[in-house]
Amino acid sequence: AAGVIQSPRHLIKEKRETATLKCYPIPRHDTVYWYQQGPGQDPQFLISFYEKMQSDKGSIPDRFSAQQFSDYHSELNMSSLELGDSALYFCASSGGGLAGPGTYEQYFGPGTRLTVT
Amino acid sequence: AQKITQTQPGMFVQEKEAVTLDCTYDTSDQSYGLFWYKQPSSGEMIFLIYQGSYDEQNATEGRYSLNFQKARKSANLVISASQLGDSAMYFCAMREIHDSARQLTFGSGTQLTVLP
Repeated sequence: AAGVIQSPRHLIKEKRETATLKCYPIPRHDTVYWYQQGPGQDPQFLISFYEKMQSDKGSIPDRFSAQQFSDYHSELNMSSLELGDSALYFCASSGGGLAGPGTYEQYFGPGTRLTVT
Repeated sequence: AQKITQTQPGMFVQEKEAVTLDCTYDTSDQSYGLFWYKQPSSGEMIFLIYQGSYDEQNATEGRYSLNFQKARKSANLVISASQLGDSAMYFCAMREIHDSARQLTFGSGTQLTVLP
């Protein structure tokens, strides 16, 4: 079965540089989520999109932005990178849309490991 | 206040034995979902099992079962017949439905080590 695809898998950037992370959700899934997991931490929700519209926003820095395109893939853009941005960035997708009591599982991609030096 | 609490930073279990990973949650919503994910050292997050707040029966998926006690707000994961490949970090997560929010809130995780 198709899974969530993320690229690149590893990324090394210097401080103050920019980075773009890409996510391709499971086909026919209509919701994409981005999470950030720092070393030894649990994943923290950043932002989500439903049907190409931003649906929820978590602890996403103003230096970060994201969007979902017409083909449902999503990109997380990170500017003015800081050392503290080094983390594993997950994209997840689900097919439940706006309705439902949490019925729909979120399937995670393999993550992009970002290292800022 | 923590929404998801996992009180066991680390657990050890002998191969082929069963193990229970604890998870308690805090919500005022009537409708919510509880999830367990496995994260091996390679980093990926693997969905294991889901329990809805209105589900009357405990969820089961192969060797995984969720011991859901709604009144106590606990959703413990039980792994039967542990295997060496079960060694990983396990996260409990919750999805609340107020304000149509759909994102997951995670606990701090439990590192499970299966001993041969």
